[in-house]
Amino acid sequence: AQSVTQLGSHVSVSEGALVLLRCNYSSSVPPYLFWYVQYPNQGLQLLLKYTSAATLVKGINGFEAEFKKSETSFHLTKPSAHMSDAAEYFCAVSRVGGGGNKLTFGTGTQLKVEL
Amino acid sequence: KAGVTQTPRYLIKTRGQQVTLSCSPISGHRSVSWYQQTPGQGLQFLFEYFSETQRNKGNFPGRFSGRQFSNSRSEMNVSTLELGDSALYLCASSRTLGAGETQYFGPGTRLLVL
Repeated sequence: AQSVTQLGSHVSVSEGALVLLRCNYSSSVPPYLFWYVQYPNQGLQLLLKYTSAATLVKGINGFEAEFKKSETSFHLTKPSAHMSDAAEYFCAVSRVGGGGNKLTFGTGTQLKVEL
Repeated sequence: KAGVTQTPRYLIKTRGQQVTLSCSPISGHRSVSWYQQTPGQGLQFLFEYFSETQRNKGNFPGRFSGRQFSNSRSEMNVSTLELGDSALYLCASSRTLGAGETQYFGPGTRLLVL
């Protein structure tokens, strides 16, 4: 079964510092990978997704992620954190070959941005 | 284009009651999926529908059911509510079925069971 592991349930950075949120996947075949963000009392918003077209994926709000097969990782980065980036971030994997859309999510990383 | 809408946004029920949640997908989207989000279990897949047919189901008891209508709108029902059913229920829509399809989420329905 496919799964993702997010290392670090809470990450704190200073405004203007690099944001790095870690995600490792487990899959027997190249997966489809997603990063979503959730602000308080809201649903999930897609930041970016990997569908094998390019290993470096650029998303919204200045975020990007790099697919590294050798490390089975899909870490999310942003060069300079902004206060508005404070939210919970979820990595997710989609089942390949199953004919469905089911997303399997990681446990989430709460990002705190400090002045 | 309007996003995914879910009604109601908040619900309070008591144990043993049943509840129906509604989801309207983005116009033109034919696939709807449901997820449960709780602090303890995180985000868990409930089921997905395409063309009025349930295509995939998560590991939830039979008290959880759903359906999709010809206009792609979907409802989920939880019967005989338990305290542990308190959660944020999220609906997501996508154009079609397919592992790489982007799912767009609604704001969720927050259910509190007393």
